[in-house]
Formats: sequence, structure tokens, C-alpha cells
Amino acid sequence: GAGVSQSPRYKVAKRGQDVALRCDPISGHVSLFWYQQALGQGPEFLTYFQNEAQLDKSGLPSDRFFAERPEGSVSTLKIQRTQQEDSAVYLCASTWDRQAGVGNQPQHFGDGTRLSIL
Amino acid sequence: AQKITQTQPGMFVQEKEAVTLDCTYDTSDPSYGLFWYKQPSSGEMIFLIYQGSYDQQNATEGRYSLNFQKARKSANLVISASQLGDSAMYFCAMRPYFGNEKLTFGTGTRLTIIP
Repeated sequence: GAGVSQSPRYKVAKRGQDVALRCDPISGHVSLFWYQQALGQGPEFLTYFQNEAQLDKSGLPSDRFFAERPEGSVSTLKIQRTQQEDSAVYLCASTWDRQAGVGNQPQHFGDGTRLSIL
Repeated sequence: AQKITQTQPGMFVQEKEAVTLDCTYDTSDPSYGLFWYKQPSSGEMIFLIYQGSYDQQNATEGRYSLNFQKARKSANLVISASQLGDSAMYFCAMRPYFGNEKLTFGTGTRLTIIP
């Protein structure tokens, strides 16, 4: 398909396990974002890539969270030693911009990964 | 820093009526973009409409229009002739026009269309 693809759609893990969430952005999109959406809340920014460079990781809640985009396309969000408060929907979004910082381009979101930590 | 406030947690509207979803914002950036997204129960975030802070006219996209009042820092979404398929969560979001592209979202409004 032509949209942002995220996998898995659902993930259940036991507390303390490591998880990896995958995002495949729209082909050619330069910028990629990860957001965390708690139940009943709006998405909260986690981190941002422009091509393979991670330009902002200020939203990552702890050093247990790590994201990468080694070839400037697919991205993986990894959470180590998961805790119950990590339970949320993790959304990935991408956008295309030839000029960095052009503000009128909407971000296109995937369907998200619903993570449940038992 | 940017902040979005959506004061209506939930709204019920009769089918075919128009509905206005409120959004106020706060920012120190001189230029910025405002976005509305729809999130059905299936979870995907669907882009609806965009308004730039320097745009002279209010944005319109089909049944969606944005009532942008810059002095009041409000960017309300108007849906005309509501349909059952409009039932969803609606999020207002913003980002600075230049620089870091991350979106700041409000807490959302759950819209339910009554047949």
C-alpha cells in the first residue's frame, strides 16, 4: 500500500521483556516521527528523524527507549525492560519536505501499534 | 513551547446538522501551522485540514472548514451536514512553521453523530 505501515498491530509483552516496533514510512518521505498515545489522550511526541539522522529525541521518556532509522527509510522503536506504564498506542508518522521546516505539510500516520505490558 | 486546548471532551450531534469543535492554542512562534486530525475507533489518524498562521482566508476542504481567529488564538473545526461516519475522536494540533516539525496535540473531542 501507499500509506505508512506499522507492525505489529498489537503486541503483548510481560513486564521486563524487550520489544521492537517497526515503521515503514511512505516511500520517499524524508521526515519520520514517533508518538506515544495513552488511553484517552492525544499523541505525545517521542522522537524525530530526518533521513537517517535523529534530530530530536527529547520526548523519549527514559533511556529504556531507543529509536533508529539506519538507512533513512524503515525505523524501529525499541523499548527495553518494559514496564506497565509503557502500555500505549505507538504511532509513526512521515512527511515529505524538500526544504527542512516547511510548515504546511501534514504528517501521515500509520495505524499504530497497541502495546500492552502485563 | 506550544500548547493546544480542546475543552469539549465529548459532543453529541444530530445527523445532518453542522457541528463546531473548539480549539485554542498558545505559542511564542511568529509563524505556525494548525492541523485537524480525525481518529476513528480503528485507530488511524486521518489528516483533515490545515491552516497557516499567515493565510488570509480560512481553510476549507469539502465539508470541513476552519474558523481561524488569530487574535483570539482559536482554530475551530466546522463540519457541515454531519454524517454517521463522522463519529470519531478529533484532534487539533500545531507546529512551528520553521524548524522542528513535531506536532503538539490537544486532548481531543469525541464526536458522536446521532441518527
